[in-house]
Amino acid sequence: KNEVEQSPQNLTAQEGEFITINCSYSVGISALHWLQQHPGGGIVSLFMLSSGKKKHGRLIATINIQEKHSSLHITASHPRDSAVYICATKRGTASKLTFGTGTRLQVTL
Amino acid sequence: EAGVTQSPTHLIKTRGQQVTLRCSPISGHTSVYWYQQALGLGLQFLLWYDEGEERNRGNFPPRFSGRQFPNYSSELNVNALELEDSALYLCASSLGLTRQGDEQFFGPGTRLTVL
Repeated sequence: KNEVEQSPQNLTAQEGEFITINCSYSVGISALHWLQQHPGGGIVSLFMLSSGKKKHGRLIATINIQEKHSSLHITASHPRDSAVYICATKRGTASKLTFGTGTRLQVTL
Repeated sequence: EAGVTQSPTHLIKTRGQQVTLRCSPISGHTSVYWYQQALGLGLQFLLWYDEGEERNRGNFPPRFSGRQFPNYSSELNVNALELEDSALYLCASSLGLTRQGDEQFFGPGTRLTVL
């Protein structure tokens, strides 16, 4: 079993739909990242959170430390949101990231 | 403010050759991380440098090595290249061990193809 599990692996949605991507982890962490990777390969950090909830535009990330679970929500999805979304955990300050396998999102018109 | 930069963007090598990849962190960041993303596989941690020292190493053979320079830029060296080393190599930087803000910011990556 991977230390970081994501679901679903693939997700297709129509423009405007509300999307949820889930991430579960098995060990205690200091923080969790949500990352976005477009087909060109570059990775953008969307959120880093260690408790509660963060919002940026149409993106919302939540984390439940007790349940070792985080979710990434996209409201009013748009084709430009099509990308791979990766959750990554960190144990301790300034340490390496452990990655989930990613969720490939395709948003169609 | 400039982000993390990596060079080269793309690289083609043959089996057995050696390659050096370069990374410049965000100004003020002292930690540099190297990750590998092989085709069809997830991201794997390779190496972490902070203040010029290797702090942690992933489960990769010794032919993967690197260093960090006094200006905090870093090199990743891969010797005796194998076909399975073909991958996207990503560098990330953060404020580092001496400071509390440790969000990692990623560079655009170097795509290495081994023929």
